[in-house]
Formats: sequence, C-alpha cells, structure tokens
Amino acid sequence: GAGVSQSPSNKVTEKGKDVELRCDPISGHTALYWYRQSLGQGLEFLIYFQGNSAPDKSGLPSDRFSAERTGGSVSTLTIQRTQQEDSAVYLCASRVSSGNTIYFGEGSWLTVV
Amino acid sequence: EDKVVQSPLSLVVHEGDTVTLNCSYEVTNFRSLLWYKQEKKAPTFLFMLTSSGIEKKSGRLSSILDKKELFSILNITATQTGDSAVYLCAATSGTYKYIFGTGTRLKVLA
Repeated sequence: GAGVSQSPSNKVTEKGKDVELRCDPISGHTALYWYRQSLGQGLEFLIYFQGNSAPDKSGLPSDRFSAERTGGSVSTLTIQRTQQEDSAVYLCASRVSSGNTIYFGEGSWLTVV
Repeated sequence: EDKVVQSPLSLVVHEGDTVTLNCSYEVTNFRSLLWYKQEKKAPTFLFMLTSSGIEKKSGRLSSILDKKELFSILNITATQTGDSAVYLCAATSGTYKYIFGTGTRLKVLA
C-alpha cells in the first residue's frame, strides 16, 4: 500500500475485554514497529519485527500484551483483559530493511472505560 | 539507559516568529537523529541527520546535528499557524532501536 494502514482508528472497550489492533505496513517494508503514546507523553517502544527473525518484545509492558506478524506483512497487537491505563494511541511504523527512516500509520486510539 | 530530551516542552509564538527546538541525546551505538512533526496522530518525517555540522533544509525548516555535544536543533523561520504541532526527535541506537523524546508542543498564533 501507499502508506502504513492501521485499524481500527478508534476503539472504545470495556475494562477487562480483549482488543486487537491491526497494522498493514508499506509494501516491501520488512521492519515493523509498534509504539504506544499516552496523552502528553512520548512514544514508548513496544515491539519490533524484522523479516523472519525473532521479534524484540522487550518493550511490551506486561504479559497481557502480545503481537504477531503473519507472512512477514500484517501485524496484530493484542491486549488481553484491558485496563484503564492501556488507554493510549497505538502507533505502527515500518521501514525497509536497510533504511533509517521509519514511517508511521495514523494510529489506533484506544479508550478503556 | 538511552535517553532523548527535548526542550522546551511547549512554546507559543506569533506568526512570523522564528523558533528553535532542541534535542539532546545519550544513546549507545548512535547512528542517526530524526525529526518528526505530529499534528494529530501520525508523526510525519521531516529530517534525518547522520553527520555533524551539515545543515538539512526544507523550505522554512532546517536542522543540524552536533555529534560532539550530542544535540540537534530544528529551526523554523517565518512561522505559520500550520506549523502548530508536536515536534518529536528520535535517536537511533544500533541497527534498529529508535528512542523518542517527549516532544515540543508548538503553537503559532495568528
């Protein structure tokens, strides 16, 4: 695709429910990142995928968070048993394997009520 | 611990003013420094800097990197209301890590 595509753009969920956020990176981009941005805060790294290599999951804040990337393209970030502190914008970004610049999607705004 | 610090946290100026945004960094295996503009949700890429002292310019925006003093500045001349946004800088560490600052929120008044 022309840009990084994320869905849903907005999601309101009840505390305790599971949510799935989807990211479709730019075609040909093998590296994919998930970041979280809470209100007024910077971007917090969550997870990094590169091709078929094992992902760097060091930024996932708890075991309620998981992500997968199927077929080296689309990625899904899953948050189980959502809590109010999970409310944030979840941003996905991608880049080519050898590139330095990451390109962001529009993000998914998650509100846990 | 790798960190990126931006200053000021917020800034209010009038149209036509010139602003300078600061970004200092301490990261291991530093490779590059990137600037992004975030108006609503998606940060959009502005500049990538890898070499000290070489200014990058795009219209009214310019940026420079000082690898000895570990900082970068982003200048915006003749500001316009459309420049109102959060400006983020990120330092890359190693082959794939991007460490972001908390951003500078710029508001340009008409």
